[in-house]
Amino acid sequence: DQQVKQNSPSLSVQEGRISILNCDYTNSMFDYFLWYKKYPAEGPTFLISISSIKDKNEDGRFTVFLNKSAKHLSLHIVPSQPGDSAVYFCAASSTGGEKLTFGTGTRLTIIP
Amino acid sequence: DSGVTQTPKHLITATGQRVTLRCSPRSGDLSVYWYQQSLDQGLQFLIQYYNGEERAKGNILERFSAQQFPDLHSELNLSSLELGDSALYFCASSAPGSEKLFFGSGTQLSVL
Repeated sequence: DQQVKQNSPSLSVQEGRISILNCDYTNSMFDYFLWYKKYPAEGPTFLISISSIKDKNEDGRFTVFLNKSAKHLSLHIVPSQPGDSAVYFCAASSTGGEKLTFGTGTRLTIIP
Repeated sequence: DSGVTQTPKHLITATGQRVTLRCSPRSGDLSVYWYQQSLDQGLQFLIQYYNGEERAKGNILERFSAQQFPDLHSELNLSSLELGDSALYFCASSAPGSEKLFFGSGTQLSVL
């Protein structure tokens, strides 16, 4: 049972435009969400997170939005840059549980 | 550099064999996690250790086992290997009470 879903395996966006990556979850116990970025031959690296008490968190060009009623979160990258080309994983955890449940990832390609 | 060290980077072996993957967590981190990433799959949680004790178990096969030693490094043992065990195996560590995981660069296991 895939508790965290990223339904778009890939996404291509023009450089300078907005990239929007989506993630859905089914477990209502999840209350902390993270996005990780992964380049080839490297491990995933933490990008940004959001707690369920918030509906938005910003860090520079990256903003994560959380819609608890829809069990949906999204990552916005503005403006998109070639270095943003990578695989993005959405992950979730619940209070008291440290392990993260990951989605299957979305491969983002920024077109120069 | 995440501070998490995994060895070896690549491992090629035959079916039926046994291998050991090694992980050194970031300095000060007590938790070690093992994840498996197969082709087109997300990161599947295998097992977590905290300060030498097993903390959580995921979809880990009985042919697989892990341990965390007093110096906090961890080993993942995979035995009776099958073709389907070919995957990227990641180790991650986290500070006490933190959901933010720091990942190593992974071990690419190829079973021929």
